[in-house]
Amino acid sequence: AIRMTQSPSSFSASTGDRVTITCRASQGISSYLAWYQQKPGKAPKLLIYAASTLQSGVPSRFSGSGSGTDFTLTISCLQSEDFATYYCQQYYSYPPAFGQGTRLEIK
Amino acid sequence: QVQLVQSGAEVKKPGSSVKVSCKASGGTFSSYAISWVRQAPGQGLEWMGGIIPIFGTANYAQKFQGRVTITADESTSTAYMELSSLRSEDTAVYYCARGSDTAMVLDWFDPWGQGTLVTVSS
Repeated sequence: AIRMTQSPSSFSASTGDRVTITCRASQGISSYLAWYQQKPGKAPKLLIYAASTLQSGVPSRFSGSGSGTDFTLTISCLQSEDFATYYCQQYYSYPPAFGQGTRLEIK
Repeated sequence: QVQLVQSGAEVKKPGSSVKVSCKASGGTFSSYAISWVRQAPGQGLEWMGGIIPIFGTANYAQKFQGRVTITADESTSTAYMELSSLRSEDTAVYYCARGSDTAMVLDWFDPWGQGTLVTVSS
């Protein structure tokens, strides 16, 4: 099974900051990677699929890049509503697997 | 816009089974995969398995093989996840989620149901 590792596990930032979250796959997954945002008590929300394609309705300050084993999610200018936990997910091979999550907190 | 609505919270005894439903509305049901993902308290997301209703065959994560059964009823646009031999470690929020339009279980997930809390306690 493919293992997904995110870094950092948590960090603090301020509104207006540019932040980057990294996701690494234990083997190559081409561009079969999605990113989700989850707020407390809510279901995850799809942000990006195919590593860099923004889901309809998601603000353009979110962007994704990478292929193979190394991927990044970037938020260009943090807004208050962006403080949440972020997960990457590979769908290259069974079983689909998620990273352990990155918790983004307000500094 | 498709919406997934799940059944309500459950409290179960160890060793029993639970069956959670996920009803789709506002879109096509049969040709889109429905997966089940669980999240233990304070933990991350774990894929359990999925099904494409029009095909009827489910794929399961090896961890849950033999203990989970995923089914779908096309007539009511409802998917089900049944987990047996429950133990305390199965206490979690269980989500259903739809795949994209590629008719594959191996996919990204959008949208998601609201989640169903299953508590296993004696």
